[in-house]
Amino acid sequence: DTAVSQTPKYLVTQMGNDKSIKCEQNLGHDTMYWYKQDSKKFLKIMFSYNNKELIINETVPNRFSPKSPDKAHLNLHINSLELGDSAVYFCASSLSLVGNEQFFGPGTRLTVL
Amino acid sequence: AQSVTQLDSQVPVFEEAPVELRCNYSSSVSVYLFWYVQYPNQGLQLLLKYLSGSTLVKGINGFEAEFNKSQTSFHLRKPSVHISDTAEYFCAVSEIQGAQKLVFGQGTRLTINP
Repeated sequence: DTAVSQTPKYLVTQMGNDKSIKCEQNLGHDTMYWYKQDSKKFLKIMFSYNNKELIINETVPNRFSPKSPDKAHLNLHINSLELGDSAVYFCASSLSLVGNEQFFGPGTRLTVL
Repeated sequence: AQSVTQLDSQVPVFEEAPVELRCNYSSSVSVYLFWYVQYPNQGLQLLLKYLSGSTLVKGINGFEAEFNKSQTSFHLRKPSVHISDTAEYFCAVSEIQGAQKLVFGQGTRLTINP
């Protein structure tokens, strides 16, 4: 069984479009995250949610809007896509906010043309 | 704020040789430490973590790491590597108190040559 799943795995789109990436975890965890991995493989946190409440918003442009309909899901919506948004986006989850291992999804490779 | 420096961007070694991947961190508060591995076109998998207790931590796939508080280091080691260890390795820290976010190093590409 997949612990943390993301859809789609690949996303190719034009500048200016709006797109969403979905994430689901079946681990019963309270906390979920979005990370961005750039072309140099550098990973940086974007958002975290705990029990559907936004905890971390790491100075991400307003064009990025996370939504957590329930504890098991954390979706990422991106408006007006730009070339610089091209990256691999990873969803992760952990049991709670502090001191726990984060389990990562397989990633979504976003390419903006 | 925390920062993590992985001193080597690439490490080539021969199969069955030992390897050490270096990680230093900077933080004004106490932190937890992690090593993650990323195989090609996959997500990240936890290798090992240091939360407290013994400073020598053993992880999966024969890896171990030693937490050195005075040198603010958390180097990863394996006595004998295999071709299958070829991957990107990331060192990360998170604050012990406060909302947990992982702060990652730049990654070290480990390449195992036959």
